[in-house]
Amino acid sequence: GAGVSQSPSNKVTEKGKDVELRCDPISGHTALYWYRQSLGQGLEFLIYFQGNSAPDKSGLPSDRFSAERTGGSVSTLTIQRTQQEDSAVYLCASSPGRDNYGYTFGSGTRLTVV
Amino acid sequence: KQEVTQIPAALSVPEGENLVLNCSFTDSAIYNLQWFRQDPGKGLTSLLLIQSSQREQTSGRLNASLDKSSGRSTLYIAASQPGDSATYLCAADNAGNMLTFGGGTRLMVKP
Repeated sequence: GAGVSQSPSNKVTEKGKDVELRCDPISGHTALYWYRQSLGQGLEFLIYFQGNSAPDKSGLPSDRFSAERTGGSVSTLTIQRTQQEDSAVYLCASSPGRDNYGYTFGSGTRLTVV
Repeated sequence: KQEVTQIPAALSVPEGENLVLNCSFTDSAIYNLQWFRQDPGKGLTSLLLIQSSQREQTSGRLNASLDKSSGRSTLYIAASQPGDSATYLCAADNAGNMLTFGGGTRLMVKP
């Protein structure tokens, strides 16, 4: 597509439920990133996928968070047993790869855990 | 570990003023530095990308400079307009696989 697409744009869920957030990167971009932006906080790196390499999961805050990327394209971020502190905007970005072309971000998914 | 700081945290100016937003980073071994704009409730829009070998980039009324040796970047906005009101974020890319963001500068341009 022309840009990075994220769905849903907004999600309200009850504490303890699982949620899945979807990211559709720019076609041909081999690198995909998830970031989190909590209210009043800066952007926090979560996870990075590059091609077929093992993902860099160093930013995931707990084992309730996981992500996968199927076929080198669409990615799903899953949060299990959601907590109120998981409420944030989850942003996905993609880039052409390691060659220094910068990042394109999606519009984000605003997650509210009640 | 890279740390990125943006000053000021908030800025309010009258329409028409030229202004400078500052970004500093602690690790100068960067691949590139990118400036983004974020409108309330929206995602990030890329404004300018400066490669590590470059000194500045320009796009319309925006000019971004990079001084790796001093760990600084500035975003210059000429003839500011109310539509420029947004949060401006700078981000340093050290390894091509992760951006480190500053806390942002919240800009308000008053008509």
